[in-house]
Amino acid sequence: GAGVSQSPRYKVTKRGQDVALRCDPISGHVSLYWYRQALGQGPEFLTYFNYEAQQDKSGLPNDRFSAERPEGSISTLTIQRTEQRDSAMYRCASSPKGGRNEKLFFGSGTQLSVL
Amino acid sequence: GESVGLHLPTLSVQEGDNSIINCAYSNSASDYFIWYKQESGKGPQFIIDIRSNMDKRQGQRVTVLLNKTVKHLSLQIAATQPGDSAVYFCAENRPGTYKYIFGTGTRLKVLA
Repeated sequence: GAGVSQSPRYKVTKRGQDVALRCDPISGHVSLYWYRQALGQGPEFLTYFNYEAQQDKSGLPNDRFSAERPEGSISTLTIQRTEQRDSAMYRCASSPKGGRNEKLFFGSGTQLSVL
Repeated sequence: GESVGLHLPTLSVQEGDNSIINCAYSNSASDYFIWYKQESGKGPQFIIDIRSNMDKRQGQRVTVLLNKTVKHLSLQIAATQPGDSAVYFCAENRPGTYKYIFGTGTRLKVLA
């Protein structure tokens, strides 16, 4: 399809394990965002990429969280030494341009459960 | 599957009636706003946007109103249909950043 693709759809892991979540944005989209959405709440900003440059990572909760987009297309969000409080829906979004005030196109998300 | 908004404010309307969903935003300097619709198990879907130099913008069956004086947004849906049932979020873009801040959401239930 032509939308934002995320994988896996569901990820169950044990506390202390590392996980990598993948996002494949809409082809040609310059901007890529990672958000986290807890049940019953709106998405919470994690980080933003303009092409391969990570221009804002102020929303990453701590240094266990990192993200990369090495070729300006696919992005990976990595969580090291997972904790139960990391359990949430992780959503990727992309937008066509690199500027502000652009509408975001969201993927269906990866539901992470840390046991 | 995922269930969005178990404890969100809920608006129930009869099919065919108009719906008004409200949102208060936090930053008076925010200059761009978006309404998103989120159905169960899906990601947020863009509905309509408005820039801060406008007070009103209309789309197909939807209208967004912006009151900067009281930092208030509303989404009006005309002739509400069963397919409009979802959780609705407003989001603001803060100046000088690329991040969007989302509100807590409102669940819209359309009664047949």
